[in-house]
Amino acid sequence: NAGVTQTPKFQVLKTGQSMTLQCAQDMNHEYMSWYRQDPGMGLRLIHYSVGAGITDQGEVPNGYNVSRSTTEDFPLRLLSAAPSQTSVYFCASSRTRGSPLHFGNGTRLTVT
Amino acid sequence: EDKVVQSPLSLVVHEGDTVTLNCSYEVTNFRSLLWYKQEKKAPTFLFMLTSSGIEKKSGRLSSILDKKELFSILNITATQTGDSAIYLCAVEKGASGTYKYIFGTGTRLKVLA
Repeated sequence: NAGVTQTPKFQVLKTGQSMTLQCAQDMNHEYMSWYRQDPGMGLRLIHYSVGAGITDQGEVPNGYNVSRSTTEDFPLRLLSAAPSQTSVYFCASSRTRGSPLHFGNGTRLTVT
Repeated sequence: EDKVVQSPLSLVVHEGDTVTLNCSYEVTNFRSLLWYKQEKKAPTFLFMLTSSGIEKKSGRLSSILDKKELFSILNITATQTGDSAIYLCAVEKGASGTYKYIFGTGTRLKVLA
């Protein structure tokens, strides 16, 4: 049982490059979300989804796009990376309303 | 604007001490409050609280929610070095049709041998 799988674990980008962070879960969870974690800032919600075809913005959505074409996958796209997007990114999912979040192991992204 | 505030931001104690971590919140459409422990990688789930005044316990950890005063506490008794971690508080909020989880900044706990 893999749980929530994030790839890659580490990534270095140059300013202006684009990339997609992958997130997949095999628990048939309806809710999926992306957070970024910066020192002293806790986990800040970027985008979230309550089901396939449904996405919404969180606290810090600018510079990021998401889509949810299947229940299992929730990729996060950076269209034009900026140094301010240097962070650790976590994907998390929950079975349904009222259930705890399960986290992936994170992606450490550095933008130079 | 929704807010989840944790205090203290950091704490250093010695093994055997008891610690109390605080989480206060101001959110619309509150549904539940969750506590997580984060060591090196992904946060791991500790407790979910939905009702006021009902203590949840797991070994040396316990937590309680006060929905009138809008806060929760996490207690750790007889601390051990393995309790050193960041403790995160989150609130699940949402009206019908959608919901999301908002986190506080965390409390960094260091337990010295």
